[in-house]
Amino acid sequence: IAGITQAPTSQILAAGRRMTLRCTQDMRHNAMYWYRQDLGLGLRLIHYSNTAGTTGKGEVPDGYSVSRANTDDFPLTLASAVPSQTSVYFCASSDRTGGADTQYFGPGTRLTVL
Amino acid sequence: QKEVEQNSGPLSVPEGAIASLNCTYSDRGSQSFFWYRQYSGKSPELIMFIYSNGDKEDGRFTAQPNKASQYVSLLIRDSQPSDSATYLCAVRDNYGQNFVFGPGTRLSVLP
Repeated sequence: IAGITQAPTSQILAAGRRMTLRCTQDMRHNAMYWYRQDLGLGLRLIHYSNTAGTTGKGEVPDGYSVSRANTDDFPLTLASAVPSQTSVYFCASSDRTGGADTQYFGPGTRLTVL
Repeated sequence: QKEVEQNSGPLSVPEGAIASLNCTYSDRGSQSFFWYRQYSGKSPELIMFIYSNGDKEDGRFTAQPNKASQYVSLLIRDSQPSDSATYLCAVRDNYGQNFVFGPGTRLSVLP
């Protein structure tokens, strides 16, 4: 069981380019999340999805879009990358059907926008 | 805007000592709290979650919520060098959709 996988592991991108970060989970969790982590700012929520077919905006959604066509996949797209989007991106998932709704994180994608 | 605050550290403790980490939150409606450990260059991993109604112990870790003062503590007994990491606090209230993370406290356990 892989849990959550993210691709690519790292990427250097020219400003203005389009980029999609991939996230796949095999735990059949209904909820999925995208965070960015910057030094001194902790984890900030970009977008989330409570269930397949629905998405919502988090704290810092501008410049990012997501889709949730099925339970397992939750790609994050930067339509036109800017240097301020240089960060480490974490995908997470959780089971919202009951209990504590604990989030489990993928290994992260380190993105550098030049 | 809901806020979660943590002392960024570094907090340095000698091996074998008790490390005490604190997290304060602004939303009085918060019901559940999560402590994650994050090693440098790695993703956060859950240590424990706790509800606001009582302490919880798991091995060397104890989480203590204080609803009146709006903080939650994490105690690490018999600290080991392998405990050296950044500890993230996350808060979720009973009505909210998502979590709010604190900036993390960097812990250094000195051998």
